[in-house]
Amino acid sequence: QKEVEQDPGPLSVPEGAIVSLNCTYSNSAFQYFMWYRQYSRKGPELLMYTYSSGNKEDGRFTAQVDKSSKYISLFIRDSQPSDSATYLCAMSSPSNTGKLIFGQGTTLQVKP
Amino acid sequence: EAGVAQSPRYKIIEKRQSVAFWCNPISGHATLYWYQQILGQGPKLLIQFQNNGVVDDSQLPKDRFSAERLKGVDSTLKIQPAKLEDSAVYLCASSLGGNYEQFFGPGTRLTVL
Repeated sequence: QKEVEQDPGPLSVPEGAIVSLNCTYSNSAFQYFMWYRQYSRKGPELLMYTYSSGNKEDGRFTAQVDKSSKYISLFIRDSQPSDSATYLCAMSSPSNTGKLIFGQGTTLQVKP
Repeated sequence: EAGVAQSPRYKIIEKRQSVAFWCNPISGHATLYWYQQILGQGPKLLIQFQNNGVVDDSQLPKDRFSAERLKGVDSTLKIQPAKLEDSAVYLCASSLGGNYEQFFGPGTRLTVL
C-alpha cells in the first residue's frame, strides 16, 4: 500500500465548475499537508499549505484536512482554463519536514 | 529573484551510459533536494542536502546514483550506468531550511534507450 493515494484522473470540467481533488494517506505521523500545482514541462509550485487538521482558504482555493479519516481535499471554485494542470498532494512528518511524500497527481482540464 | 536553475533540460542516452545533471539553487537556500518523477507519478525524494552535508539519501540507489553539493551551493546528480527504468524527470528543489517552502526547478527530462 502506498503511503499517499491520489486518483490520477484525468478530470475534465467546464469553466466555472467547482472542482474537488482528494488524497488519502496511511501514515498517522503526517502533520504537514500541501497541494502543489504542476503545469506541463514545469516544476511543481506550492499552492496551499496546512498544518494538522482544519480548513484554509486562499481566493478560489480551499484546502481541508481530516486527520481522523486520513483524508485531505482541495476545492477550486469558479474554475478557469488557466487552472488546467496536474495537482499533487504532498505531506511530511515533524521528524523530517523536508521529506515530502507526494501523491501521484490528478490531471485537471478546465474547458472554456 | 532568480529561481532554481537546472541543466540540461533534456537528455537522451543509451542504457549503460553515464549522465550528469546540474542544479543551481536559489541564492541563500541552505537545503537542496533531488527528486525523481516518473511519468504519471508524483516526485520521489532521492537525496536531501543541508549545506554540503547529506540529511537523507535513503531512497537513492547508491549502486548507480551519486550526488554531491560542493561548497554548499551547486549540486550535481550522476547516474552510472543508466538503466531503462531511470527514464524520468529529475527535479531539483531548494529551501531556506528543512521547515521552509521548497521551490522547484523546471527539471531535466531523461530518456534512456
